[in-house]
Amino acid sequence: GDSVTQMEGPVTLSEEACLTINCTYTATGYPSLFWYVQYPGEGLQLLLKATKADDKGSNKGFEATYRKETTSFHLEKGSVQVSDSAVYFCALRTNAGGTSYGKLTFGQGTILTVHP
Amino acid sequence: GAGVSQSPSNKVTEKGKDVELRCDPISGHTALYWYRQSLGQGLEFLIYFQGNSAPDKSGLPSDRFSAERTGGSVSTLTIQRTQQEDSAVYLCASSLSATGTTNEKLFFGSGTQLSVL
Repeated sequence: GDSVTQMEGPVTLSEEACLTINCTYTATGYPSLFWYVQYPGEGLQLLLKATKADDKGSNKGFEATYRKETTSFHLEKGSVQVSDSAVYFCALRTNAGGTSYGKLTFGQGTILTVHP
Repeated sequence: GAGVSQSPSNKVTEKGKDVELRCDPISGHTALYWYRQSLGQGLEFLIYFQGNSAPDKSGLPSDRFSAERTGGSVSTLTIQRTQQEDSAVYLCASSLSATGTTNEKLFFGSGTQLSVL
């Protein structure tokens, strides 16, 4: 079945450091890939997405590129801020159509803490 | 309301009791999903509604779990005879529709933290 594997956390960085959170996946067909973020006390929200190979999703300074050859979708940011402290989830949706269209398979989540 | 609303935000119950968790999706959203977030486990899909029908119940872990949706809006997740392993955060999400690249975006509620003692 489909699965998503994220690098284990927690990740602790100083402000302005570079961030990479690794994400690899196993899926049939050509899934869409997502990063969701959960800020303290808030619900999950979509950070960025990519729907086909070589697409790059970007938002709020974060980027991730859909790499079909390595089945990866690593999240990167060049300079993190304290406000980026949150839990980050990598997810996929298998584009099989039909009734499971919106169903997501999530990774375990990675806790990021950024210190001033 | 402006977002997906879940209640209660916290629920503590004794093993063996039944609990009901409620989700109010964003008005007009036809698709509704329940997920469970267990410690160290990530998010697991439980069930999907399109309107009042549940075409995909494949994630419900046992027959103690059931869910319904009425009027194409509010959904209730019921857990009967709760067990300690049911302790988790139960998340609800809705989307405008289940199909289409733009409309598939999921909006999540803040969840219900369930603790079974």
